[in-house]
Amino acid sequence: GESVGLHLPTLSVQEGDNSIINCAYSNSASDYFIWYKQESGKGPQFIIDIRSNMDKRQGQRVTVLLNKTVKHLSLQIAATQPGDSAVYFCAEKSTLHDMRFGAGTRLTVKP
Amino acid sequence: DAGVTQSPTHLIKTRGQQVTLRCSPKSGHDTVSWYQQALGQGPQFIFQYYEEEERQRGNFPDRFSGHQFPNYSSELNVNALLLGDSALYLCASSFPASHTEAFFGQGTRLTVV
Repeated sequence: GESVGLHLPTLSVQEGDNSIINCAYSNSASDYFIWYKQESGKGPQFIIDIRSNMDKRQGQRVTVLLNKTVKHLSLQIAATQPGDSAVYFCAEKSTLHDMRFGAGTRLTVKP
Repeated sequence: DAGVTQSPTHLIKTRGQQVTLRCSPKSGHDTVSWYQQALGQGPQFIFQYYEEEERQRGNFPDRFSGHQFPNYSSELNVNALLLGDSALYLCASSFPASHTEAFFGQGTRLTVV
């Protein structure tokens, strides 16, 4: 069936380095791809989204890349800070269903 | 702005019992979605309410039901609780025009024993 998944369950980076979190998807009919961040004890927080007809979108310190050829989504965080430590989820959405989340990647930022 | 608030924060129930979880959306939001998040997993969509009606539903049994009130607040009801229903239940609110940006509450941690 259709699914959203992640390549790596954990990622550890040094403070100040750039982080790249990857995600694979299988539903070609998805209209939007979204990244959420979940800190311990909190609900997920919206980071950035990208429409399926785009291949790149930038936000504040974050960039999302979409490669529809290989059905791959990535989130790049520039100059990673300790406050970026969290679990990151990719999600996809279409007109047929609400958001479907992947299992998440835990990002740990070392000082 | 209080954001999305959920109650209670923690709850312990016995297998077979029924539970009601509550959610108040962010001010100005009229759409409420409920998610179940098992430990170590991503949130799974249960259903969405808009204009007091269930608009979309995920792959959850009929034991899961909900309601939205005229003030846009919402309830999630689960009947005949199973041990596998133990999870964090998240409520998210949004504008219907927002396809992707949902604001989540901190969740209700339900433990079924």
